[in-house]
Amino acid sequence: AQTVTQSQPEMSVQEAETVTLSCTYDTSESNYYLFWYKQPPSRQMILVIRQEAYKQQNATENRFSVNFQKAAKSFSLKISDSQLGDTAMYFCAFMKPAIQGAQKLVFGQGTRLTINP
Amino acid sequence: DARVTQTPRHKVTEMGQEVTMRCQPILGHNTVFWYRQTMMQGLELLAYFRNRAPLDDSGMPKDRFSAEMPDATLATLKIQPSEPRDSAVYFCASGSGADTEAFFGQGTRLTVV
Repeated sequence: AQTVTQSQPEMSVQEAETVTLSCTYDTSESNYYLFWYKQPPSRQMILVIRQEAYKQQNATENRFSVNFQKAAKSFSLKISDSQLGDTAMYFCAFMKPAIQGAQKLVFGQGTRLTINP
Repeated sequence: DARVTQTPRHKVTEMGQEVTMRCQPILGHNTVFWYRQTMMQGLELLAYFRNRAPLDDSGMPKDRFSAEMPDATLATLKIQPSEPRDSAVYFCASGSGADTEAFFGQGTRLTVV
């Protein structure tokens, strides 16, 4: 079974700073997908970024980028020029491809990020 | 604006009552997930459907929970009888089944007193 671990329960930075959220996972699969979801106080789960394991290039979405280290099974999220609206819970998630069985998302426990003015 | 719609947004009920939560997946999506979120357990998968067929409901307490998809536009999660430990936020999510991400609804906050 796959497991996802987020070792930082809470983080806090000043607005405009850069922050990195950590995520490690455990799997015996060679092909899979990794995601970061954001959950603001509205509790809506919002996809931030996605990474396919077969792609060596790290995914980037505007101020959000990942550092994907497949051998180390590490998938960290970097938020540059942080904004007040980035305050939220952030969840790292793992998913196997559909062809390999149940296409379910396995989530980490989350990191509560607070951006201070 | 395609989105997953869940009803109700909030539900308070007494222990022992039946609770039904509904989900309308995004049109064209063929996979539907039910997740439960609690402070202690985080996000747990309860059930997973593809093309309306249940593929994985191993995370669901079978004695009181049931999940169905009467048609492609409606998924339901029922709890009967409800217990205080069922208090949580229940999320429905849908996907296209083509190795894409799941899109979540806004959740149903259930409180069982």
